[in-house]
Amino acid sequence: GENVEQHPSTLSVQEGDSAVIKCTYSDSASNYFPWYKQELGKGPQLIIDIRSNVGEKKDQRIAVTLNKTAKHFSLHITETQPEDSAVYFCAATMGGYQKVTFGTGTKLQVIP
Amino acid sequence: EAGVTQFPSHSVIEKGQTVTLRCDPISGHDNLYWYRRVMGKEIKFLLHFVKESKQDESGMPNNRFLAERTGGTYSTLKVQPAELEDSGVYFCASSLSRDRGGYGYTFGSGTRLTVV
Repeated sequence: GENVEQHPSTLSVQEGDSAVIKCTYSDSASNYFPWYKQELGKGPQLIIDIRSNVGEKKDQRIAVTLNKTAKHFSLHITETQPEDSAVYFCAATMGGYQKVTFGTGTKLQVIP
Repeated sequence: EAGVTQFPSHSVIEKGQTVTLRCDPISGHDNLYWYRRVMGKEIKFLLHFVKESKQDESGMPNNRFLAERTGGTYSTLKVQPAELEDSGVYFCASSLSRDRGGYGYTFGSGTRLTVV
């Protein structure tokens, strides 16, 4: 089955700096890669996603890149703000309504 | 629209007792999923309903776990009897069917289960 590894497990950055979270996946059949943000006491919320036919996607301060050959994908947050502090999960799936395999999460702390 | 609703939000039970978790998906979402996060590890798949049918229950840890989705609306997840290792946060998620453009889930806030 699919296995997703995520690094780092914790990340502290100064407000305004960039944050990068990296993930690798094992199953080349995976073709959809969502990223979720989980704030304290809430469920994971989809913040951005990328499909395997795209190498990069950007939404304001958030961008995701995908390297299918290396089976790597990354989340980039620029100009970080305190409200970006949360746990971020990468995930991989074969899309549609298939089950999703999550990484272990990255706890991001943005220091004001 | 209302989101995915889960209750209770917290449950503390003794080992050997029974607990039932409930999930109300977003109206019109045929797909309903249960996931679990144990001790700060990854969020792991438990099972997937399409309407009232179990599409994939490969993640259910053992026969102490029973999930139902009668009528294709809300779902329950029963743990009987509960063991210490069942402690964790149980998430429910729902999504539209694929042919209606469904990609990505909407998660509920989760039920934090503590077995003592």
